[in-house]
Amino acid sequence: AQSVTQLDSQVPVFEEAPVELRCNYSSSVSVYLFWYVQYPNQGLQLLLKYLSGSTLVKGINGFEAEFNKSQTSFHLRKPSVHISDTAEYFCAVSLIGGGADGLTFGKGTHLIIQP
Amino acid sequence: NAGVTQTPKFQVLKTGQSMTLQCAQDMNHNSMYWYRQDPGMGLRLIYYSASEGTTDKGEVPNGYNVSRLNKREFSLRLESAAPSQTSVYFCASSEETRGFEPQHFGDGTRLSIL
Repeated sequence: AQSVTQLDSQVPVFEEAPVELRCNYSSSVSVYLFWYVQYPNQGLQLLLKYLSGSTLVKGINGFEAEFNKSQTSFHLRKPSVHISDTAEYFCAVSLIGGGADGLTFGKGTHLIIQP
Repeated sequence: NAGVTQTPKFQVLKTGQSMTLQCAQDMNHNSMYWYRQDPGMGLRLIYYSASEGTTDKGEVPNGYNVSRLNKREFSLRLESAAPSQTSVYFCASSEETRGFEPQHFGDGTRLSIL
């Protein structure tokens, strides 16, 4: 079975500073990787995904993530954050070839932007 | 497009009461999912339906039942609510279950069991 670990439950950052949210996964088979964002009182929205090819993927709102197979990591980065980035961020994996039960999520990282 | 619509948005129940959470999607997706979200726990899969006419248990199915009414609708039923079922419930859908399709989420149902 696959699992996802988000190493920080909460990350405080000053506005306009860079941020990195860490994600590591464990799986006996190859996986697809996703980052979702959840704004207060809303559902989850897809930020970006890694399926294959270039290990650096770009998503919406200026976020990017890098897949590192040897480290089994998929860390999310943004060079300059804004107040509007305050949200909960979830890393998720799914098995290549599909597993009918879809995504396995990490426990989330709360990004807090301080003015 | 509405995407994934969940009703109700909020509900308070007493222990032992029953209720059904409704979910509908208008994206012609084959697969649908029910998750619960608890503080510090992320999202945990309750039940899923890979295609119309099929349903399967996820990680935390105890105390719940589901019905895939048609391709658009997937409901979650609590037969006898317990305080441990206080949570935020999310419905999601995806085109298929081949792994690479992103899931689309509703805005959630916030359920309190007293």
